[in-house]
Amino acid sequence: DAKTTQPPSMDCAEGRAANLPCNHSTISGNEYVYWYRQIHSQGPQYIIHGLKNNETNEMASLIITEDRKSSTLILPHATLRDTAVYYCIVSRSGNTGKLIFGQGTTLQVKP
Amino acid sequence: DTGVSQDPRHKITKRGQNVTFRCDPISEHNRLYWYRQTLGQGPEFLTYFQNEAQLEKSRLLSDRFSAERPKGSFSTLEIQRTEQGDSAMYLCASSSRTGDYGYTFGSGTRLTVV
Repeated sequence: DAKTTQPPSMDCAEGRAANLPCNHSTISGNEYVYWYRQIHSQGPQYIIHGLKNNETNEMASLIITEDRKSSTLILPHATLRDTAVYYCIVSRSGNTGKLIFGQGTTLQVKP
Repeated sequence: DTGVSQDPRHKITKRGQNVTFRCDPISEHNRLYWYRQTLGQGPEFLTYFQNEAQLEKSRLLSDRFSAERPKGSFSTLEIQRTEQGDSAMYLCASSSRTGDYGYTFGSGTRLTVV
């Protein structure tokens, strides 16, 4: 599975959009981009995933560049409860096996 | 409750003792995963099952670790002769074959070896 690169930490003002970048320059054609987050002392929570088209759900939007070498997770109106570690993971299609977690980005939403 | 349940939530044990953790996945999920997470690090993959078959094991899963999933339902992770380095959060996750909604993780079992 391809590796990902994320900034170690980011701040965001409450109510503003949080844009979390991820580089995955070695992604292959059958690998999806997954985003999870982990709030302190809880297990990771699935947010969204995509292959090449932009995706949106009730939690977030995922923007994948045309060359698929990077993506951005967008939380449109961040709240204090969105403070967490956000993990960007690339994995082969269809949940065929394990997810490899990196260090993630610690997002601090500030009032 | 339709989530992934893990038991116990916390376990303190003396070095050298054996411990066993249980995971109850979402009932319709056929895949089950175990991860380990130490402070400040992302979760590390240990092993996964499809139904009752253990399909992959990480090199992190030493001979002291064993996982089972009898009948493809709940799973147990046993650590024999615990060491202080085993202290960590042990996370279980499950997923369906289609994986449309990713993995669902439990809240984990925090193991402290003293």
